[in-house]
Amino acid sequence: DVKVTQSSRYLVKRTGEKVFLECVQDMDHENMFWYRQDPGLGLRLIYFSYDVKMKEKGDIPEGYSVSREKKERFSLILESASTNQTSMYLCASRQTGYEQYFGPGTRLTVT
Amino acid sequence: DQQVKQNSPSLSVQEGRISILNCDYTNSMFDYFLWYKKYPAEGPTFLISISSIKDKNEDGRFTVFLNKSAKHLSLHIVPSQPGDSAVYFCAASARNTGTASKLTFGTGTRLQVTL
Repeated sequence: DVKVTQSSRYLVKRTGEKVFLECVQDMDHENMFWYRQDPGLGLRLIYFSYDVKMKEKGDIPEGYSVSREKKERFSLILESASTNQTSMYLCASRQTGYEQYFGPGTRLTVT
Repeated sequence: DQQVKQNSPSLSVQEGRISILNCDYTNSMFDYFLWYKKYPAEGPTFLISISSIKDKNEDGRFTVFLNKSAKHLSLHIVPSQPGDSAVYFCAASARNTGTASKLTFGTGTRLQVTL
């Protein structure tokens, strides 16, 4: 079974803080993705990576950056958290085909 | 610009009856479609998919229908069970649009199966 884990299930941060969300997959997948899920907006792609040190912007990259130093780990960074970044963050990974495997999500609240 | 649309935010169905969840898309380059199911506080899990070369795919109680001319797909669940209560996301992908075959998701439909 593919396993995608995320470092925290719930996180509360203050406005202006730097926030790191970590994602690890154990299936040697090439591709990894970060989404945010908001009510009425579905899942929106923030960034994705198709190889170590490679990254591409998704649909809503503003205010975020990512890091992929090792194949199994993909980090999402909020350089200066703002209240409009309060959301559910979901990490996913994929090898071949179209199906993506998701982690359990991190509920981030920025106050 | 929402390329994948799920116009019904919620649906309530009685146990044992059929649940029909709908999804429309606008991008004619989409050629592969997936349905995901999401419980609260969990990540989405893959349910069923269909390629654009087919018009129907069935897996147990779940069937997905694709109408390419109408750019419409639907997920049928028969019979519906209380454990099917979740949010269902439709997703689409366009082959050969670059690396990693991105998925574009709809906004989701919350299904509630009542006793």
